[in-house]
Amino acid sequence: QVQLQESGPGLVKPSETLSLSCTVSGASISGYYWSWIRQPAGKELEWIGRIYTSGSTNYNPSLKSRVTMSVDTSKKQFSLKMSSVTAADTAVYYCARMRRGGQLEYWGQGTLVTVSS
Amino acid sequence: DIQMTQSPSSLSASVGDRVTITCQASQDISNYLNWYQQKPGKAPKVLIYDASNLETGVPLRFSGSGSGTDFTFTISSLQPEDIATYYCQQYENLPITFGQGTRLESK
Repeated sequence: QVQLQESGPGLVKPSETLSLSCTVSGASISGYYWSWIRQPAGKELEWIGRIYTSGSTNYNPSLKSRVTMSVDTSKKQFSLKMSSVTAADTAVYYCARMRRGGQLEYWGQGTLVTVSS
Repeated sequence: DIQMTQSPSSLSASVGDRVTITCQASQDISNYLNWYQQKPGKAPKVLIYDASNLETGVPLRFSGSGSGTDFTFTISSLQPEDIATYYCQQYENLPITFGQGTRLESK
């Protein structure tokens, strides 16, 4: 069974960089798109971007200037970095596997990141 | 970006009721439309893909229809475990975008 697990600091100071990793188990990481999605409390889902196992990326234009994604196939991990964070970046961050049809079929449990001094 | 507009934003229904949620895209997305269920404190779960295809293991009371800009999600007979928030999501163009969600409550 495919499982994803997010990890990283739950508290980040304003203007600093948010860094999260997602570890994949139960399946190969190769040959898939891997996405990051976030959800502020009580609000809708926002797609941050995706990375293919080749390293090719697509980012949401609204966040593109601050986001970097990477993948380490040997560790079965992919990562998100978001720079210059503000309180507006406080949210639950999810990682997910994306099928070619755009369905986000497997999700991590989510990790709450709070931006506060 | 393609804007996805769901309605209603919330609704109350009783067990056994037929529930319908609509999703309208700001431009033609063919059938590149998925529906998700999210329960409090949990990650979303895909129920319907490509507008009308039921994800493996999802009960038959869930269905979807539509193409182009107008889509419908239906629960034929509401069960207690269906109380959740439902989201549509388009994949015609990047960035992927979601509707604002429909919160389904028990009457």
